[in-house]
Amino acid sequence: DAKTTQPTSMDCAEGRAANLPCNHSTISGNEYVYWYRQIHSQGPQYIIHGLKNNETNEMASLIITEDRKSSTLILPHATLRDTAVYYCIVRLTSNTGKLIFGQGTTLQVKP
Amino acid sequence: DTEVTQTPKHLVMGMTNKKSLKCEQHMGHRAMYWYKQKAKKPPELMFVYSYEKLSINESVPSRFSPECPNSSLLNLHLHALQPEDSALYLCASSISGGGSYNEQFFGPGTRLTVL
Repeated sequence: DAKTTQPTSMDCAEGRAANLPCNHSTISGNEYVYWYRQIHSQGPQYIIHGLKNNETNEMASLIITEDRKSSTLILPHATLRDTAVYYCIVRLTSNTGKLIFGQGTTLQVKP
Repeated sequence: DTEVTQTPKHLVMGMTNKKSLKCEQHMGHRAMYWYKQKAKKPPELMFVYSYEKLSINESVPSRFSPECPNSSLLNLHLHALQPEDSALYLCASSISGGGSYNEQFFGPGTRLTVL
């Protein structure tokens, strides 16, 4: 599975969009990009995933560059409850279900 | 019910004790996972069960022994642990082990302290 690089930490003002970048320059054609987050003292929570097209759900949007070497998770209107560690993960669509978490980005949403 | 439950929430054990962690889901998922998370570090995969069979063991020491008695239940038996095994142990489940859609649902974890 390809490795990912994320900034260690980011701040965002409450009500503004939070844009979290992820670099995955060694991604291969059959690898998906997944995003999870972990709020303090809780288990990780799935947010969104995509292969090459941009994706949107009720939580967030995922923008994947055309060359698929990087992606951005967008939380359109961040709230204080979005303060968490955000993990960008690249995984094969194999039968293993293996998720390899990187260090993630700690997002602090400030009032 | 989209919940993964884990018991106990907290566990303190000595190095000579034998204890077990329990994980349960009733979503009909056929893949279940154990992760270990040390403080301020990301979760690390330990084991994957797919259709009640062990499919991945990430070279975990034998003092950790997983068991999947049925499709809803996953146990982690602990024996002769070391203080460095103190961590948050997370259980997760997903519809299956692979495919393009593999959202993993995580439980809240068991915080283990080994004295």
